[in-house]
Amino acid sequence: GENVEQHPSTLSVQEGDSAVIKCTYSDSASNYFPWYKQELGKRPQLIIDIRSNVGEKKDQRIAVTLNKTAKHFSLHITETQPEDSAVYFCAASTYRGSGYALNFGKGTSLLVTP
Amino acid sequence: GAVVSQHPSRVICKSGTSVKIECRSLDFQATTMFWYRQFPKQSLMLMATSNEGSKATYEQGVEKDKFLINHASLTLSTLTVTSAHPEDSSFYICSAISGFTGELFFGEGSRLTVL
Repeated sequence: GENVEQHPSTLSVQEGDSAVIKCTYSDSASNYFPWYKQELGKRPQLIIDIRSNVGEKKDQRIAVTLNKTAKHFSLHITETQPEDSAVYFCAASTYRGSGYALNFGKGTSLLVTP
Repeated sequence: GAVVSQHPSRVICKSGTSVKIECRSLDFQATTMFWYRQFPKQSLMLMATSNEGSKATYEQGVEKDKFLINHASLTLSTLTVTSAHPEDSSFYICSAISGFTGELFFGEGSRLTVL
């Protein structure tokens, strides 16, 4: 089955700096790669996603890049702010017999210090 | 955007009892819903894929007799934790895919504590 590896597990940056989180996946058939932000005790919220026919996508301060050949994708957050502090999960779609489900990375705890 | 509602948000039960968690898609029909489990400071682990009108597909290592899933309508899936034990204490989150956008939406999550 799909295996999603995510690094780093923790990341601390100064406000205003950039943060990069990287993920690799194993299933070459995966074609959908979302990123979620989860605050403590709350549901994950989709922040950006990318499909396999695109190499890069940007939405204001966040961007995602995808390298299908190497099977890795990355989240880039620029001009970080304290409210960006949260746990971020990458995910890759995988077929589950009756449809597609998401397999998640282990998460990255991002801390942005003022 | 699409909304997925989960109930209850918190439940405390005694060991040996059963607990039912409901997951509803409020403004779209979801033929497929997913149940995840999340331990503190860990990732979301897919437990099962719930299909409307048919049996759920469980992930390896998930006991289907312990975690009963029913998806009787296009807007409701339920997870019943049977004969709960303290090790079943966890955060359970459901999700559903919007047929319009293909985006996956999560419920609020249910924190189960088994005493």
